[in-house]
Amino acid sequence: DTGVSQDPRHKITKRGQNVTFRCDPISEHNRLYWYRQTLGQGPEFLTYFQNEAQLEKSRLLSDRFSAERPKGSFSTLEIQRTEQGDSAMYLCASSSVERTQPGHEQYFGPGTRLTVT
Amino acid sequence: GQQVMQIPQYQHVQEGEDFTTYCNSSTTLSNIQWYKQRPGGHPVFLIQLVKSGEVKKQKRLTFQFGEAKKNSSLHITATQTTDVGTYFCQTNNAGNMLTFGGGTRLMVKP
Repeated sequence: DTGVSQDPRHKITKRGQNVTFRCDPISEHNRLYWYRQTLGQGPEFLTYFQNEAQLEKSRLLSDRFSAERPKGSFSTLEIQRTEQGDSAMYLCASSSVERTQPGHEQYFGPGTRLTVT
Repeated sequence: GQQVMQIPQYQHVQEGEDFTTYCNSSTTLSNIQWYKQRPGGHPVFLIQLVKSGEVKKQKRLTFQFGEAKKNSSLHITATQTTDVGTYFCQTNNAGNMLTFGGGTRLMVKP
């Protein structure tokens, strides 16, 4: 078990550019979550996958944000036309299949810190 | 969506003192999770509470779920410097949207 990994760990981009982040969950976990966290705040839920199906999307996930998990393993989060307000830590988490509700033990990755200049 | 209020926002304690953080909701919660995030780190799962009035202990940590399932608390007995970090509660509403509280940042003075 190598844990949840995220790539890149840091990303600096100019406003208006597109960025894509990758998350590799724990291998036997079929649930994958994306969160955004700004300094001094709790993580904000963005979206959630069970296998390859995207089951829930927050209103925070505007048209500029899209997430995929095409084979039910790794996931990507893309932000188009980045804005300075997108600067944050983007966290990925995964959990196992046995529970029926999504709110249970989640394992978080180290996050990707995005800075939009 | 589901809102959970967490208090206090900050807490400074002397090493050895006790610490409690509270998570409150205006609506009934199906379950609640607690996480700890060290400075510069990512959230780490501590516990899940599901049953009304449930109390769970992990060494010096005691977790409680209210009888009405609208509030929860995390109590640390005799804090140590290793307890430093931000403690978050998390819950999910009927629509499976997961919500974190704002967190309580614990600082321990040796």
